[in-house]
Amino acid sequence: EAQVTQNPRYLITVTGKKLTVTCSQNMNHEYMSWYRQDPGLGLRQIYYSMNVEVTDKGDVPEGYKVSRKEKRNFPLILESPSPNQTSLYFCASSQQGRQPQHFGDGTRLSIL
Amino acid sequence: AQKVTQAQTEISVVEKEDVTLDCVYETRDTTYYLFWYKQPPSGELVFLIRRNSFDEQNEISGRYSWNFQKSTSSFNFTITASQVVDSAVYFCAPKLDQGAQKLVFGQGTRLTINP
Repeated sequence: EAQVTQNPRYLITVTGKKLTVTCSQNMNHEYMSWYRQDPGLGLRQIYYSMNVEVTDKGDVPEGYKVSRKEKRNFPLILESPSPNQTSLYFCASSQQGRQPQHFGDGTRLSIL
Repeated sequence: AQKVTQAQTEISVVEKEDVTLDCVYETRDTTYYLFWYKQPPSGELVFLIRRNSFDEQNEISGRYSWNFQKSTSSFNFTITASQVVDSAVYFCAPKLDQGAQKLVFGQGTRLTINP
């Protein structure tokens, strides 16, 4: 089954404790992206990747890091999480940017 | 700047009514791609429709139809004979810039279908 898998689905943690949200896709897609969803703001792009070792900033990259060492994986790293990063996060992938993006089920992060 | 406006924050209708969700966008590009996504109460994002800016033929698929008007930069979505299961947040999310690799999401319209 074609899917984008995010882990964990839910996480409550404290300010400053490094965390990683994993994202994996099994469709051999070149393009992957991270979004955050906040009430009243829709979804905003954090980072994206066009292919292995090719990443670039989206609209709200501050406080986040990503890496793309393998085609299927695109982890989101919060080196020193802060409460303003409490949000619902989605990973997405597509064959090309103009194709529909397949989204993971979301990761709800709460930073206390 | 690219911008997507979904002016209807919330819509509530009775089952079997038709409902149209509006989407207006701003772009300077002539080639772009338009998407609608649905987010049911369970939270996942479900792809509904993709249109190209160079294809203005509107389409009907079952109870769903889309009206794309390039001249007015609008891409509206209609559900005919709505059902309770259609209750969700609907996002218009075009890819407006050929060079940028992102979807620009509207704020979403929360649609509630009452029995």
